[in-house]
Formats: sequence, structure tokens, C-alpha cells
Amino acid sequence: GAGVSQSPSNKVTEKGKDVELRCDPISGHTALYWYRQSLGQGLEFLIYFQGNSAPDKSGLPSDRFSAERTGGSVSTLTIQRTQQEDSAVYLCASSLLGQGDYGYTFGSGTRLTVV
Amino acid sequence: SQQGEEDPQALSIQEGENATMNCSYKTSINNLQWYRQNSGRGLVHLILIRSNEREKHSGRLRVTLDTSKKSSSLLITASRAADTASYFCATKENYGQNFVFGPGTRLSVLP
Repeated sequence: GAGVSQSPSNKVTEKGKDVELRCDPISGHTALYWYRQSLGQGLEFLIYFQGNSAPDKSGLPSDRFSAERTGGSVSTLTIQRTQQEDSAVYLCASSLLGQGDYGYTFGSGTRLTVV
Repeated sequence: SQQGEEDPQALSIQEGENATMNCSYKTSINNLQWYRQNSGRGLVHLILIRSNEREKHSGRLRVTLDTSKKSSSLLITASRAADTASYFCATKENYGQNFVFGPGTRLSVLP
């Protein structure tokens, strides 16, 4: 597609349930990133995929968070046993080169609300 | 703590005035980027400046970088109401893989 697509755009879930967030990066972009943004805050790095290399998971806040990227394209971020503090906008971005020298292209995000 | 810190946190100006936002960072960087975010959703890439560059222009945007002071500024000239948004700087450390974003500056341009 022309841009980075994320789905769903909004998700309300009950505390304790699992959620899956999806990201379709720009075709041909080898690097894919997940960030989280709490209300009025900056972006918090979660995880980074580059080609077939092992992902950089250093930003995942707990073992309830996991992500995968299938076939070097679509990525899914899974949050298990959601907590209220997980409420945030989850942003996905892709870039042409892993070094991000050409900037990221962001999706519109998924607004997750845990009630 | 955040690698990039924007200053001020919030800025309110009249249409037609210039807006200046600053960003400070802590470590040696490969490049620095500025992004705009409307309504708390996706970010739009505005401009990238490399560590060996001192100034860059793009339309009404002017970015400077002072690596000795570890700081950057974003100037928006002749502001418009449509420039109302949050602006973030993002820095990439020399040996890092991801960008680190600051908390942002909320700019309000009043008609």
C-alpha cells in the first residue's frame, strides 16, 4: 500500500483479556518498529525488526508483550492479560533502511483502552 | 530518561508569527529528525539533519544542529493555524538501531 496501515484504529478491552494489534508496513520497507505513546507523552520504543535478523526486543515493558513479523512484512503486537496501564496509542513505523536514515513512515496508530 | 528533550513544552502564537522549538540530547548522534503529530495519532516526518550538517531548510521550516551543545532548533516561519500540532525531535545514537523521541512541544497557532 501507499502508507503504513494499522488495525484496529481503536480497541476497547477488558482488563485481563489478550489483544492483537496489526501493522502493514510499506511494501519493500525492511525495517519495522513499534512504539507506544501514553496520553500527552513522547514515544516509547517497544521493538524493532530488520529483515531476517533477530528482533530488538529491548523496549518491551514486560513478558506480557510480544511481537512477530511474518514473511518480512505484516507484524502483530500481542499484549496478554492486559492491564489498565497498557492503555495508550500503539504506533507502528517502517523505514526503507534499517538505519532510519530516511526517516520513519508512521501508521495512524491503534488507540487501546483497557477498562 | 528521554534522549531528546523539547523546549518549550507548549507554545502559543498568532498566525503569521514565527515559532521556534528547541531540542536537547545527551549522547553522540548519527542524525536528528523532527516530526509533527496531529491529534495524538500518526507522526509525519518533517526533516532530517545529519550530524555533519549545521542547517537545513524545507519550505517554511528551518532546522539547525549544534553538536557541540547537543541541541537543535526547529523554526517555522509565517505560521498558519494548520501548523497547530505537537512537534517531536528524534535522535539516533551512533550505534543504536532505533530513534529516541522527546516528550514534544505542543504548538498552538491562533487565527
